[in-house]
Amino acid sequence: QKEVEQNSGPLSVPEGAIASLNCTYSDRGSQSFFWYRQYSGKSPELIMSIYSNGDKEDGRFTAQLNKASQYVSLLIRDSQPSDSATYLCAVNTNNFNKFYFGSGTKLNVKP
Amino acid sequence: DTAVSQTPKYLVTQMGNDKSIKCEQNLGHDTMYWYKQDSKKFLKIMFSYNNKELIINETVPNRFSPKSPDKAHLNLHINSLELGDSAVYFCASSRRDLNTYEQYFGPGTRLTVT
Repeated sequence: QKEVEQNSGPLSVPEGAIASLNCTYSDRGSQSFFWYRQYSGKSPELIMSIYSNGDKEDGRFTAQLNKASQYVSLLIRDSQPSDSATYLCAVNTNNFNKFYFGSGTKLNVKP
Repeated sequence: DTAVSQTPKYLVTQMGNDKSIKCEQNLGHDTMYWYKQDSKKFLKIMFSYNNKELIINETVPNRFSPKSPDKAHLNLHINSLELGDSAVYFCASSRRDLNTYEQYFGPGTRLTVT
């Protein structure tokens, strides 16, 4: 079992819709959770971090964490074509310097 | 202002050669990392240094040797390059003392071994 699992996609949504990206993790002791956006040929860019159960909103982005279900999600409201990228979920385990990344979900926002 | 920088951006070399990649961060972070991203885009941690001390050394061939001269720099030396070493190598940094561990990535070094 992989430490972090994501649906590889592609996930296609029309412009203006809500994109929902999901991630599950295996280590119940995980402490910190991150979403990165990676455009093709570019480096991962941190867009959201979340550390406690519930929702965290930042502009059009909302991260949701449910530690009991070992589940993290990212909602992107009013999706724009510029949001088209691969979204990587990352989890920081009890070994606080060790990060595991999911394989990423490719999002396509169609004009 | 560049936060995390890497050189070179591209590296094309032949099997058996030795090469180095350099990384520098000006964010004042105390922890630096090397990641490898393969052709399937899977990002895997290789090494982590905190204040020049090696704290994570994943299952990486000992042909790979990291070195941190100070907490702002982390270099990666690769001996006897193999075809399977072809990948994009990313450097990243974070602040351990904030208990947030948000990592910021450099632009990457695309290594091609022929």
